Amino acid sequence: GPKVLQIPSHQIIDMGQMVTLNCDPVSNHLYFYWYKQILGQQMEFLVNFYNGKVMEKSKLFKDQFSVERPDGSYFTLKIQPTALEDSAVYFCASSLRAGQNTLYFGAGTRLSVL
Amino acid sequence: GEQVEQLPSSLIVQEGASVLINCSYTDSASVYFPWYKQEPGKRLQFIIDIRSNMERKQNQRLTLLFDKKTKHLSLHITATQPGDSAIYFCSASSSNTDKVVFGTGTRLQVSP
Repeated sequence: GPKVLQIPSHQIIDMGQMVTLNCDPVSNHLYFYWYKQILGQQMEFLVNFYNGKVMEKSKLFKDQFSVERPDGSYFTLKIQPTALEDSAVYFCASSLRAGQNTLYFGAGTRLSVL
Repeated sequence: GEQVEQLPSSLIVQEGASVLINCSYTDSASVYFPWYKQEPGKRLQFIIDIRSNMERKQNQRLTLLFDKKTKHLSLHITATQPGDSAIYFCSASSSNTDKVVFGTGTRLQVSP
């Protein structure tokens, strides 16, 4: 089926540094999401994005987080500065329409903040 | 906001057994409930869904039951195989938000 690509698969950085996680969504999809997976299980919603704008965000989407998709390129999640508690696996997802549709997920980026 | 709970959090069964995974949600505005499977170290993959105007849906060895009154869903997997070993997630989305909320996950291990 359609695939969402995430780059890189693993990123190790020092606390306080900036990191950008990249997502290449399914080509005709219009809605994009970031989720944070904690302790290898719990999937926590961070943000969703449509038509160049953040539609909704959760409390986990701190001020240090930002998302964008400039000119239809990668959908990115930027964390600046990073904190130790940002260590997790971050999953990008996309869907053709709004929330009441199947999400297609990337393979995740494992972020380790030291 | 919407909260989605799953029970049990983990299950260990022998190949061939049937399993039942329960999911409950809180927001009566939720109308769409897709389920996903995450094999170890892999991405989440859609396996089955149901909308709030339905009570039952079947896809091969998967049967999904929905009770709108009790805000409860259950996923029944029959004739389990080692390849079914994964974390199973229930999720919910409502008619007035684009947010998709995931359940707490059920880790299923099927032994040969």
